[in-house]
Amino acid sequence: GESVGLHLPTLSVQEGDNSIINCAYSNSASDYFIWYKQESGKGPQFIIDIRSNMDKRQGQRVTVLLNKTVKHLSLQIAATQPGDSAVYFCAEKGEWKTSYDKVIFGPGTSLSVIP
Amino acid sequence: GAVVSQHPSRVICKSGTSVKIECRSLDFQATTMFWYRQFPKQSLMLMATSNEGSKATYEQGVEKDKFLINHASLTLSTLTVTSAHPEDSSFYICSARGPGGGLGHRGYTFGSGTRLTVV
Repeated sequence: GESVGLHLPTLSVQEGDNSIINCAYSNSASDYFIWYKQESGKGPQFIIDIRSNMDKRQGQRVTVLLNKTVKHLSLQIAATQPGDSAVYFCAEKGEWKTSYDKVIFGPGTSLSVIP
Repeated sequence: GAVVSQHPSRVICKSGTSVKIECRSLDFQATTMFWYRQFPKQSLMLMATSNEGSKATYEQGVEKDKFLINHASLTLSTLTVTSAHPEDSSFYICSARGPGGGLGHRGYTFGSGTRLTVV
């Protein structure tokens, strides 16, 4: 089936440093991308999203970059804090009312923040 | 904001029995519900999509007779794992989408998940 992401890496960063989490997607029909944070035993929590007609979007301490040419998505977290430790998933969605109109998750990256 | 309540949070059942998981949208009408399954240290895998009043659409490889989905109202969807076996032990998560296309994070609200253990 469709897949987003090719790895399940673990990223360790020092508290206060910036984190960069990468993701590759495979479906050219996707027009909407989302980053989620998942803490152990909980459901995914929305972080930030971006439409396919954009290449950058900023939120509070987070930035998402989209490169459609190479089908690459990244999440940047500024001044990483211990509370940011979690698994981060990129996800993609296709156009509304098409067969791709569903959120498909990538394999995830485990972020560990070292105090 | 939009809230989705999922119950139970944890359930242990004996092999061969059936388990029902409920997902309720508390403050919006969930025209579409999505059900995911997540094994330890893995990603969320979409199992099926259901629109209110219609039969669910299952992803490839998901047994529709084993994972029964009901979406009879705009606020409630249920997933029933029938004749559960230990390999069905997993974390099941629902996601509800309101009307209007679901653009933006408000369109997709996730439940807190159900940890199913089949013994």
